[in-house]
Amino acid sequence: AQKITQTQPGMFVQEKEAVTLDCTYDTSDPSYGLFWYKQPSSGEMIFLIYQGSYDQQNATEGRYSLNFQKARKSANLVISASQLGDSAMYFCAMREGFTGTASKLTFGTGTRLQVTL
Amino acid sequence: AAGVIQSPRHLIKEKRETATLKCYPIPRHDTVYWYQQGPGQDPQFLISFYEKMQSDKGSIPDRFSAQQFSDYHSELNMSSLELGDSALYFCASSLRTSGRSSGELFFGEGSRLTVL
Repeated sequence: AQKITQTQPGMFVQEKEAVTLDCTYDTSDPSYGLFWYKQPSSGEMIFLIYQGSYDQQNATEGRYSLNFQKARKSANLVISASQLGDSAMYFCAMREGFTGTASKLTFGTGTRLQVTL
Repeated sequence: AAGVIQSPRHLIKEKRETATLKCYPIPRHDTVYWYQQGPGQDPQFLISFYEKMQSDKGSIPDRFSAQQFSDYHSELNMSSLELGDSALYFCASSLRTSGRSSGELFFGEGSRLTVL
């Protein structure tokens, strides 16, 4: 079974609008972390935001917020006030277990976001 | 701030040749990961090292090997290259923390391997 599912291969959003990128996950481990990364066309992977399974509040980082719904196993990324520079591929990823195991990240298939004028 | 350094950035090889990619993690980071990202695909985990010991292994072909050295830099060695090995190879590093599953992976800019 897919551990991370991103059902939107591509999304369009107008500049200055908000957009939500969907991510659902599957794990039986009570301890896990969810991450979002941005990959522009230049190829580098840029960390955006993190949500831990025990965190009580939704994570926020500037214009990025994570809508964490634990019971639904979803961790959607919300980008507010979209900018042209937000056009990129966005990956949701999960780490299972506490970091003491130095466990790897498992990535979803990504969503390509295009911001239009 | 220092980031993860990967070299070379671009590499072109012929089929059946060998290639070596290098990674220099962020100072004081104790864990290194290698990922392979094919065209239009998500990054696939290959292998990781914690304190110079292999800690996890993913879908790494037998033709590939990796190690982490005493100065914490890591090398990914790829032999008998195939066309399908053409990909962007990422190295990432992180610092283990206790009590949380945080500790995001910091990625290098990637090494783009093209096999002709």
